[in-house]
Amino acid sequence: GENVEQHPSTLSVQEGDSAVIKCTYSDSASNYFPWYKQELGKRPQLIIDIRSNVGEKKDQRIAVTLNKTAKHFSLHITETQPEDSAVYFCAAMGGGADGLTFGKGTHLIIQP
Amino acid sequence: NAGVTQTPKFQVLKTGQSMTLQCAQDMNHEYMSWYRQDPGMGLRLIHYSVGAGITDQGEVPNGYNVSRSTTEDFPLRLLSAAPSQTSVYFCASSYSLAGAGNTQYFGPGTRLTVL
Repeated sequence: GENVEQHPSTLSVQEGDSAVIKCTYSDSASNYFPWYKQELGKRPQLIIDIRSNVGEKKDQRIAVTLNKTAKHFSLHITETQPEDSAVYFCAAMGGGADGLTFGKGTHLIIQP
Repeated sequence: NAGVTQTPKFQVLKTGQSMTLQCAQDMNHEYMSWYRQDPGMGLRLIHYSVGAGITDQGEVPNGYNVSRSTTEDFPLRLLSAAPSQTSVYFCASSYSLAGAGNTQYFGPGTRLTVL
């Protein structure tokens, strides 16, 4: 089955700086890569996703890049703000019916 | 639309007790799934369903049963609760598993403690 590795587990950045979270996956058939943000006690919320026919996607301060050859994808957050503090999860979905495989999460801390 | 709903929000069980976690969606989604979330482990798939009458096992199915008699509902049953099942449980749904319809929407979660 699919295996997703996520790094780092904790990331602390100064407010206004950029943050990058990286994930690798193992199944070359995976074709959908969402990123979720989870605040304490809340449900995961989709913030951006990318499909295998696209190399990069941007939505305001958030961008995701995908390298299918290397089987890795990354989340980029620019001009970080206090409300960006949360746990972020990457995930991958393959061609089968077995849903999303998640990374173990990155705790992003925005320092004032 | 209410989206994906889950009940109860919190539950405390004793070892050996049984219970059912409820999940419902009103978006006419074919695909529904259950995940558990444990500290430092991310979310792990328990069971999933690609439509009414069809269910299958995910990564961590032991100790859990599911059924899908309607498109809207996907209950998760714990037959004999164990302390290892203490976790937060999320239900999710999507229109399909392919293309633009496979965006997963999560319910608010059920926090379960087994003593």
